[in-house]
Order: sequence, then structure tokens, then C-alpha cells
Amino acid sequence: ETGVTQTPRHLVMGMTNKKSLKCEQHLGHNAMYWYKQSAKKPLELMFVYNFKEQTENNSVPSRFSPECPNSSHLFLHLHTLQPEDSALYLCASSQDPPTYRGETQYFGPGTRLLVL
Amino acid sequence: GNSVTQMEGPVTLSEEAFLTINCTYTATGYPSLFWYVQYPGEGLQLLLKATKADDKGSNKGFEATYRKETTSFHLEKGSVQVSDSAVYFCALSPRETSGSRLTFGEGTQLTVNP
Repeated sequence: ETGVTQTPRHLVMGMTNKKSLKCEQHLGHNAMYWYKQSAKKPLELMFVYNFKEQTENNSVPSRFSPECPNSSHLFLHLHTLQPEDSALYLCASSQDPPTYRGETQYFGPGTRLLVL
Repeated sequence: GNSVTQMEGPVTLSEEAFLTINCTYTATGYPSLFWYVQYPGEGLQLLLKATKADDKGSNKGFEATYRKETTSFHLEKGSVQVSDSAVYFCALSPRETSGSRLTFGEGTQLTVNP
């Protein structure tokens, strides 16, 4: 599935660095999502955007700052992260509201982040 | 609220064995149900889905039937291959949003040995 792309695929950063994750969807969807996937933990929904507007922020620390300049692009800006923020960050997109029952989210390959 | 419970892993099978991964859910109304698969180093891919009671979703030899009476959506495959080694996630979306908001189970790691 190449409908949702993420860059970079791997990132190593120090706790004082600033970096950004990028997500792009080529599916014509209007909603985009950031998830965090940590080892041995359930998927955590972080942010939801619909038509560039943030509609959900699940108590994510301010060191994570999302940006959605248009319906096709989503960024996650990172600064002063902690080692416990090391995880796989997944981007997804969907049509919201859906155009048919069973329409669902499509995921990118993820960015594997290591904070030292 | 909505919730999904999957059987605990990891699950280890030999090639050509029969696979069942149990999934039960709690939701109001009639949610849509999904199985996603995550291969090593990749994101989640939609494997199959069912949108109403008694529907059977199928793909790549995997099947799951939407059982309203037992609130279940168990994943099955008759003969697994080494290439099926992955993490499998059961998920639901509420009737009113149908995909915009997914509730995931915790995932089940499957390893298939030659």
C-alpha cells in the first residue's frame, strides 16, 4: 500500500534536538491521524485532523506539536523529547464522514524513532 | 464505551497448521469490524472487514465472521505459511462513523515456523 507515505523511516535524536516527521496521503482523504505504537502497549491515538482542523488531541505532551497545512500533508514536530518517547509513529488517513459503510483508515509504514 | 479484546499472544505454529485468533468486542449498536495485519518493520494493513451481522470477511486465505450473538470476530486460516508471521489487530468502528474512529485490540503476535 503506497497510498500513505512517511519520512523518515528511521530517526535517532538526542533529547535536545528538534526534528519533524512527515506524512503524505495520496488517497484523496480529508482526515489524518497520528498514532504512537510502543513495545508491549496498545496503539495510542495522538491527534486527529479533519480538513486541516485539529479535532482531537488525546492529552499529548506539548513536546509533540502537529501541523496539518492541507488535507494531504501532516507533520509531527518534535522537541526536547524523552527516552520514553521512543516508539513507532504511525500516520493514517480516512474519509470522514465515510462515503460507505466499512470505509476505514489506511496507514503509512511508520517512522521508527529512537531518543537517546 | 467501545472496546476490543484479543487473545493473548504470542502464538507459535508450524507451517500448514490451522490458525484461530479470538476477538470479542463491546460496542453499542452495530459497529463495523476489521482485522489489520502488521508485518515486521511496516505499518498496519487492512486484512479484511465485515460491516453487518453474519457477514464473512476474507482475504489471502484468512476469514472472519461477524457474530452479533457472541459479539465476536475471530480470525481463522486453514493452513498458515511462514510469510503469515506478523502482528494481527482486531478493530471496530462505531456505526455512526464507520472507520473514522477505530478502537483496536492489543494485537496478537503470530510466528509460523517452517
